Amino acid sequence: GAGVSQTPSNKVTEKGKYVELRCDPISGHTALYWYRQSLGQGPEFLIYFQGTGAADDSGLPNDRFFAVRPEGSVSTLKIQRTERGDSAVYLCASSLTGNHEQYFGPGTRLTVT
Amino acid sequence: GNSVTQMEGPVTLSEEAFLTINCTYTATGYPSLFWYVQYPGEGLQLLLKATKADDKGSNKGFEATYRKETTSFHLEKGSVQVSDSAVYFCALTMARGGADGLTFGKGTHLIIQP
Repeated sequence: GAGVSQTPSNKVTEKGKYVELRCDPISGHTALYWYRQSLGQGPEFLIYFQGTGAADDSGLPNDRFFAVRPEGSVSTLKIQRTERGDSAVYLCASSLTGNHEQYFGPGTRLTVT
Repeated sequence: GNSVTQMEGPVTLSEEAFLTINCTYTATGYPSLFWYVQYPGEGLQLLLKATKADDKGSNKGFEATYRKETTSFHLEKGSVQVSDSAVYFCALTMARGGADGLTFGKGTHLIIQP
């Protein structure tokens, strides 16, 4: 079956602009996660959703970052007033409730110039 | 907070060599432990996992044993192949029966030469 998909695969934006990154989880997976991976580092947890609600948003670095999952499926990560330090690969993962295995998407590479 | 430390890379080995990639963790309580692999041009994939002390996870010839006494989860393989060249990430979660975010190490780049 289809895996986790993310769009766009690459995004280049100018400092100060707003961006949206989209994640389509595996069908039937109720848990969805966002991570950020900087060059040479492991993925860093940002937020996870159980259904439509954010169960844990403790990893969001500041209030410029926000994520939604209005219907419990697709999620959008929104970054306002982008900064060069936001440049990274943003990963999305999904899993069944109660199952630790997270399935990762290919990521969106964000470059802020 | 929780953290994962893994050996710095790159690790370069010849084909058929024995592999060990060290991973140690710091956590309050008893985490579940994972190894993820990222092949060139591909996304992260779960390689193996262990959810309690002394459990051994295994897959594709790789093994790792959850050692509570040394807070370690070292990845091993008896005979590596060129196709094992990838970046390997050790990770943990404190979740029990529910979803939770993973805490990852920085990754170890493994290069296998023919």
